[in-house]
Amino acid sequence: GESVGLHLPTLSVQEGDNSIINCAYSNSASDYFIWYKQESGKGPQFIIDIRSNMDKRQGQRVTVLLNKTVKHLSLQIAATQPGDSAVYFCAEASGYSTLTFGKGTMLLVS
Amino acid sequence: GAVVSQHPSRVICKSGTSVKIECRSLDFQATTMFWYRQFPKQSLMLMATSNEGSKATYEQGVEKDKFLINHASLTLSTLTVTSAHPEDSSFYICSAFRTSGGTGEQFFGPGTRLTVL
Repeated sequence: GESVGLHLPTLSVQEGDNSIINCAYSNSASDYFIWYKQESGKGPQFIIDIRSNMDKRQGQRVTVLLNKTVKHLSLQIAATQPGDSAVYFCAEASGYSTLTFGKGTMLLVS
Repeated sequence: GAVVSQHPSRVICKSGTSVKIECRSLDFQATTMFWYRQFPKQSLMLMATSNEGSKATYEQGVEKDKFLINHASLTLSTLTVTSAHPEDSSFYICSAFRTSGGTGEQFFGPGTRLTVL
């Protein structure tokens, strides 16, 4: 299930399940979006990106969906594995300029 | 390719001392690097944008005299936390921007954990 902590929402899933992590972005002018994975004590790792002229993009086991109407972004991870346990951040940018990071979601795979 | 390193990975210092953190792009040149700060269980907050050969641009609320940034070459940016205090304890992360044609991408370093006693 999903719970909201003081600062970091947490999503707990079983190994093999599909995970969906959501993100609401704030700037309607943003046209570039990225999902990052951050393991404890490490820097962010690029997962997948999408430009605003697309509404879906697929990678290996991951899919990003973009809904510009409601300013919503989601990351779907298929067949979640223990190694997917991490904090996931969405980030938005206008062009390829500075990134604004979302609050993050901790994914726990058991 | 596109590897960014940070040094040190972890530093502990006494209150009132200064600490320098280095950010290097190892296999590409970066005219622009970024510095972020991340507190526990929180997101990355952009502190400043570092441009090679010019002054850094600081985000609102970030003291430029406290967080000195030097981007002296296309592969190195440094962040110096001057007169550090316990509230400066945080995870500092840099990124380097690599351009490719008309686009670009930020590549992140592994972060530096600063603890001020």
